[in-house]
Amino acid sequence: NAGVMQNPRHLVRRRGQEARLRCSPMKGHSHVYWYRQLPEEGLKFMVYLQKENIIDESGMPKERFSAEFPKEGPSILRIQQVVRGDSAAYFCASSPLDSYGYTFGSGTRLTVV
Amino acid sequence: GENVGLHLPTLSVQEGDNSIINCAYSNSASDYFIWYKQESGKGPQFIIDIRSNMDKRQGQRVTVLLNKTVKHLSLQIAATQPGDSAVYFCAELFGNEKLTFGTGTRLTIIP
Repeated sequence: NAGVMQNPRHLVRRRGQEARLRCSPMKGHSHVYWYRQLPEEGLKFMVYLQKENIIDESGMPKERFSAEFPKEGPSILRIQQVVRGDSAAYFCASSPLDSYGYTFGSGTRLTVV
Repeated sequence: GENVGLHLPTLSVQEGDNSIINCAYSNSASDYFIWYKQESGKGPQFIIDIRSNMDKRQGQRVTVLLNKTVKHLSLQIAATQPGDSAVYFCAELFGNEKLTFGTGTRLTIIP
C-alpha cells in the first residue's frame, strides 16, 4: 500500500496562474480531506470530500478555490488566479468509511512568485 | 478559528529525559483525539490516539492522557531521542466531522 500520494511535491506559479494539486487516497479509503498549512502554523481544514460529493467545504475560500473527488482518478484541489498569500503547504488526508483512521500525504508546497 | 490550543509553543528537552506536551481543547463534545508528529518537510504522522471514554492510553515510549473535566490532553514521550525532534500537534474530532488541529509545539532534543 503506497499510502496517500500527493503530487507535485513542489509547485511554483506566477501570480494569476492556476494551481492544480492532486491527491490519490490510500487504497480502500473513500474520504479525502484537504488542509492548508502556513509556515510555523497548524493545519487548517479546507474541504472534506467523498467520491463525487463535497461533504464539508466550510474551510474553503469562497472565491478561486475548488475541489473535486471524481468517481475515477485522484482528488484535485484547484486554485485559480493564484496570489502570493496562497503560498503554503497543502496536505491531503484520507480515511476509510466509518473509521477515524486518517492518513496524511507528504503535501504539496505551493510557492507563488 | 481553531478551538484546540497548546500551552507551550516550544520545548527543549535533554536527550534521555521525558517530555510532556500539553494541549487544551474547547469542544467538550469531541469524542476522539489524536497526536501527530510532523518533521520538517513532511506530512503529519500518526503517533497515538485516544477516545473520550478513556483517560489514558500507552504506546511505545508514548502515553496520552485525557482530562475531560478541564478539557486537557497531554503527550508524554519517555526517554527522548534525537529523532523525536519535530513539531507535535494535537487534533480533535467530533462525530464524523473533520479533524481540528492545534497550533503545534516544537520539540527540540538537546544531545
